[in-house]
Amino acid sequence: SQQGEEDPQALSIQEGENATMNCSYKTSINNLQWYRQNSGRGLVHLILIRSNEREKHSGRLRVTLDTSKKSSSLLITASRAADTASYFCATDANTGGFKTIFGAGTRLFVKA
Amino acid sequence: EPEVTQTPSHQVTQMGQEVILRCVPISNHLYFYWYRQILGQKVEFLVSFYNNEISEKSEIFDDQFSVERPDGSNFTLKIRSTKLEDSAMYFCASSPRGTDYGYTFGSGTRLTVV
Repeated sequence: SQQGEEDPQALSIQEGENATMNCSYKTSINNLQWYRQNSGRGLVHLILIRSNEREKHSGRLRVTLDTSKKSSSLLITASRAADTASYFCATDANTGGFKTIFGAGTRLFVKA
Repeated sequence: EPEVTQTPSHQVTQMGQEVILRCVPISNHLYFYWYRQILGQKVEFLVSFYNNEISEKSEIFDDQFSVERPDGSNFTLKIRSTKLEDSAMYFCASSPRGTDYGYTFGSGTRLTVV
């Protein structure tokens, strides 16, 4: 299976703390993406990291990728209550752009 | 900012009935997708569509499912004979360059089969 699996399944932190979520996958990839989903709503693309990149930043987000371990992490710094959401990693299946597979997600709850 | 629009937002249907879920992808995107999410579970790939044909489909996407791009703007998912287990959120997504670019998702259609 190509699926990414996130860890932990759920995370509860205080506002201002950092949140780290991990993702592992099973086969080779061209890129890995992270998405956010607020309860019951559509997914929002956060960041894409390519297989030849090791780290990428976007605002308070930092994503790392270790292709040797087939793992990625998403760090949200200085979290806010508005960051409360589910976070999914997603991997392509190297099929010419035709399929991205999502993991089960990490539910992040940021307490004000 | 361009959006992917899905209608209806919520549909209730009787088991065995046909439903059509509608999506308007972003106008300059070339790749289109349907995903579903059963409540509280993972987002599951159904089908991808490129160059007016299905590019890839999952084992979930059986003969009861079909997709169509009837004109230059709409992208539809049809379920011919709905089952209780088809109840889920269905998300449409589009991308300008396939998996090499982030997807833009619609807000979803909540399908309830009774």
